[in-house]
Amino acid sequence: SAVISQKPSRDICQRGTSLTIQCQVDSQVTMMFWYRQQPGQSLTLIATANQGSEATYESGFVIDKFPISRPNLTFSTLTVSNMSPEDSSIYLCSVEPNDRGGTGELFFGEGSRLTVL
Amino acid sequence: RKEVEQDPGPFNVPEGATVAFNCTYSNSASQSFFWYRQDCRKEPKLLMSVYSSGNEDGRFTAQLNRASQYISLLIRDSKLSDSATYLCVGSGTYKYIFGTGTRLKVLA
Repeated sequence: SAVISQKPSRDICQRGTSLTIQCQVDSQVTMMFWYRQQPGQSLTLIATANQGSEATYESGFVIDKFPISRPNLTFSTLTVSNMSPEDSSIYLCSVEPNDRGGTGELFFGEGSRLTVL
Repeated sequence: RKEVEQDPGPFNVPEGATVAFNCTYSNSASQSFFWYRQDCRKEPKLLMSVYSSGNEDGRFTAQLNRASQYISLLIRDSKLSDSATYLCVGSGTYKYIFGTGTRLKVLA
């Protein structure tokens, strides 16, 4: 398994500002994912962040808006830039432990609940 | 068309009932399949994988029909504690795509 510490757990931000969310894993993992879950909705994949390479963004998400860092195998950050109320959501960090490759067992952080005023 | 689609529900069923959820997928999310469970205000957790031959885990049975691009989850003898959102997940190349989720409420 993997234990993921994600912070902040929640924040209220002003329009136009940026917020960086941190994700710390208790073991080294290759595959790390960032998801967004808007109220009452399911999870939408923002990007896949693998150590040593540029993040791969899904359709509708761009690096300028959601820059991601992955400096090592246990840590990643997601920044939500120039925020607007439409960015209000829960952002979730997720990993697939290296010893669970292909099993589909993702472990999630508790999420960062972001409210943009 | 969304890559993984589900009926959002809600499904309200009495305790002890049998309930089935369906999920359809597109080719981009078609390598492997899983069912996750998400409780209110909690993160999703893996419930079970879905195999072509079908698989069972206690009261839960999952089936995959690749010809129809269709996945199902059957819950027998529903318990109050089964109330949650059930997420169908398909995997593509190096990523996992979540369906919209189906809400289940088991009533006493």
